[in-house]
Amino acid sequence: EAGVAQSPRYKIIEKRQSVAFWCNPISGHATLYWYQQILGQGPKLLIQFQNNGVVDDSQLPKDRFSAERLKGVDSTLKIQPAKLEDSAVYLCASSLRRLAGGTDTQYFGPGTRLTVL
Amino acid sequence: AQSVTQLGSHVSVSEGALVLLRCNYSSSVPPYLFWYVQYPNQGLQLLLKYTSAATLVKGINGFEAEFKKSETSFHLTKPSAHMSDAAEYFCAVSDQGYGNKLVFGAGTILRVKS
Repeated sequence: EAGVAQSPRYKIIEKRQSVAFWCNPISGHATLYWYQQILGQGPKLLIQFQNNGVVDDSQLPKDRFSAERLKGVDSTLKIQPAKLEDSAVYLCASSLRRLAGGTDTQYFGPGTRLTVL
Repeated sequence: AQSVTQLGSHVSVSEGALVLLRCNYSSSVPPYLFWYVQYPNQGLQLLLKYTSAATLVKGINGFEAEFKKSETSFHLTKPSAHMSDAAEYFCAVSDQGYGNKLVFGAGTILRVKS
């Protein structure tokens, strides 16, 4: 079974530029997550999708970050314009389904390391 | 709000020695608890999870963790460290409500000395 795929693996941009990351979840997984992992910190959830609908985007800086999951499969996370503090690893994860009163294992991709100069 | 505290950002052990990585959580509802491992330039891999069944949870690669409600702890242990265990370890908490959001600790980097 193929894992969660992400691209690019590395990206270097200058501040005020825009950037986009792509994620393809494990086949059949309904729930998709984007996390931001700043150096020295644990991952922080940015946005969660259930199929193609947003479940939680409470920690997404909506003035500069946007994400979409068209057709409920792959997803794109965009930053426009980028700031120095956006330098981080952006992790995508997926899980089979979102259970009421339960939990579901999240499987993580390798991440995209973004450096903003 | 849920939170996780991992005591010690760096832990160093000798090969063959006991590994103990500490995790304390805060949650207003009975939690689900997880340990993930991250090798350099890779994503997170699930080691084990506690979902209110047995309090002693066994995971992959010889790791286990014990849920102690009275201490709000979920420490990760392994009897004998191997060089391949060198990595960063994250503890995470999720509530049992309708949702699957994980809140992570800051991580502990494990170094294994030969």
